[in-house]
Amino acid sequence: KNQVEQSPQSLIILEGKNCTLQCNYTVSPFSNLRWYKQDTGRGPVSLTIMTFSENTKSNGRYTATLDADTKQSSLHITASQLSDSASYICVVSAPPSGAGSYQLTFGKGTKLSVIP
Amino acid sequence: EAQVTQNPRYLITVTGKKLTVTCSQNMNHEYMSWYRQDPGLGLRQIYYSMNVEVTDKGDVPEGYKVSRKEKRNFPLILESPSPNQTSLYFCASSLGLASLSEQYFGPGTRLTVT
Repeated sequence: KNQVEQSPQSLIILEGKNCTLQCNYTVSPFSNLRWYKQDTGRGPVSLTIMTFSENTKSNGRYTATLDADTKQSSLHITASQLSDSASYICVVSAPPSGAGSYQLTFGKGTKLSVIP
Repeated sequence: EAQVTQNPRYLITVTGKKLTVTCSQNMNHEYMSWYRQDPGLGLRQIYYSMNVEVTDKGDVPEGYKVSRKEKRNFPLILESPSPNQTSLYFCASSLGLASLSEQYFGPGTRLTVT
């Protein structure tokens, strides 16, 4: 069964510090991996989309890495801000089998709290 | 402005009273999807649609119906809501689900069934 495991479940850091969130997956075959940011009570917003050939991708202070061999990804946040407080969700896409749709497998997310 | 809208944003209802949550997108996207999000379980797909008149079940379709009569709209119907359908619901759309199509989520509908 395809699974996406995220760690830690929750994390509290001081404003200005860096942090790294982990995502391990068993999805195979693999199409791409996405990181989303979800503010409390709001819809997820895409941060990065990475294909198997991409090792690193940045979006401002967010840097995602992908190791398709070990099926691991990380999201590194640099110089955290209070506005980074949110849940971060890892989503892995598998190509369709037959005429169906791409299949998305969602992680349960890491809840990040940035405190002053 | 490109967006996915949902209505209502909040709804409290009673068991068995049929309800519809509307979803609309203005990006001419082919792919639309409904998710529910529950504490500790993450986002789970209810139904999706790859185009007009093409819908299919996701991971948790029981108790829900959808329709896709127009490209922009994808309503979620609960014919006989039950308390276990109390949840936060998100509609999403994308150009397709091809490798790099970005998925846009609506603001969410918080449903409480008593």
